[in-house]
Amino acid sequence: GDSVTQMEGPVTLSEEAFLTINCTYTATGYPSLFWYVQYPGEGLQLLLKATKADDKGSNKGFEATYRKETTSFHLEKGSVQVSDSAVYFCALSGRGSNYKLTFGKGTLLTVNP
Amino acid sequence: GAGVSQSPRYKVAKRGQDVALRCDPISGHVSLFWYQQALGQGPEFLTYFQNEAQLDKSGLPSDRFFAERPEGSVSTLKIQRTQQEDSAVYLCASTLIDRTDYGYTFGSGTRLTVV
Repeated sequence: GDSVTQMEGPVTLSEEAFLTINCTYTATGYPSLFWYVQYPGEGLQLLLKATKADDKGSNKGFEATYRKETTSFHLEKGSVQVSDSAVYFCALSGRGSNYKLTFGKGTLLTVNP
Repeated sequence: GAGVSQSPRYKVAKRGQDVALRCDPISGHVSLFWYQQALGQGPEFLTYFQNEAQLDKSGLPSDRFFAERPEGSVSTLKIQRTQQEDSAVYLCASTLIDRTDYGYTFGSGTRLTVV
């Protein structure tokens, strides 16, 4: 079945550091790919998405590119802020059931001033 | 309301007790989803409603789990005879269109602890 593997956390960075959180997936066909973010005490929020190969999703300075050849969707940000501290989840939805999300385990990011 | 509302926020149940978790989706959202998030894990799909119809319940872990949405708005997830392995955060999400690439709105969840 479909699965998502993402970088184990926690990740601790200083403000303005470069961020990469790795995500790889296993799925039949060509799934849609997502990054969700969960700030403390809040619900999951969609951060960015890509629905086909070579698409780049971007939002709030975060980017991720859908790489079919490496089945990856790594999250990057050039300069993190304290307010980016949160748990980040990589997720996919398969073509066969495009209403259902399969999530990775999540990566806790802490950014220190 | 402005977002998806879940209640209670926290629930402690004795093993064997029945519990009911409530979800108030965004007004007008047709589709509603329940996910289970165990400690240190990502959310896992439980069930999906379109209006009052339960179209997919393949993720419900056992017949002790039951979900309903009788009027196509508020939904209740019921767990009978709770077990320790049921301890998790239960997330509800709603969306106007049942496609993931439109993005779902998640509630803050109900944290269930079975003792």
